[in-house]
Amino acid sequence: QPVLTQSPSASASLGASVKLTCTLSSGHSNYAIAWHQQQPEKGPRYLMKLNSDGSHNKGDGIPDRFSGSSSGAERYLTISSLQSEDEADYYCQTWGTGIKVFGGGTKLTVL
Amino acid sequence: EVQLVESGGGLVKPGGSLRLSCAASGFSFSNAWMSWVRQAPGKGLEWVGRIKSKTDGGTTDYAVPVKGRFTISRDDPKNTLYLQMDSLKTEDTGVYYCATDRAWGQGTLVTVSS
Repeated sequence: QPVLTQSPSASASLGASVKLTCTLSSGHSNYAIAWHQQQPEKGPRYLMKLNSDGSHNKGDGIPDRFSGSSSGAERYLTISSLQSEDEADYYCQTWGTGIKVFGGGTKLTVL
Repeated sequence: EVQLVESGGGLVKPGGSLRLSCAASGFSFSNAWMSWVRQAPGKGLEWVGRIKSKTDGGTTDYAVPVKGRFTISRDDPKNTLYLQMDSLKTEDTGVYYCATDRAWGQGTLVTVSS
């Protein structure tokens, strides 16, 4: 089954850009993933599905500031023009045989 | 608009049972594969299990920590998903979310404590 690895934390300044990384385990580099955002004290929100070729399909109402890209086993979420409400936990997720798998999440701090 | 609304959470003693419900609207529930995901206090997201649509067989899969204790079912005419939780343990404490691949509910809190 696939395993997803995320850095525990990241930070960037208000108005800047940040690129979060999700790494797929060996043998699973062609898997699609999904990115989800969880703001403090709220439920998660689906951001996008990201394919191995970098194509992505965003959820309804997700701003253009959020984009995804891929390189090998790495899946990226880039957030541009950072706003205070982007401070949140970001989880990547993929699908195994009969299961869903989540990464450990990255806590993004907006400075 | 897609809406998922969980209910049924509460305080239960170890070894006890609880049934969660998730009312769905705004999409074709009967065609959707539905999951339960939980989050222990201060921790990340953990997939609990999933039920396929009846047209895809209606079968269920579960995460190892809950297999044999939790049961997912669905009532398509009522657009409702269920999670029956038996033999509850303290480590089952957390917020439980129902979800599709593209939508989440707001969650319901389950606390297992003596």
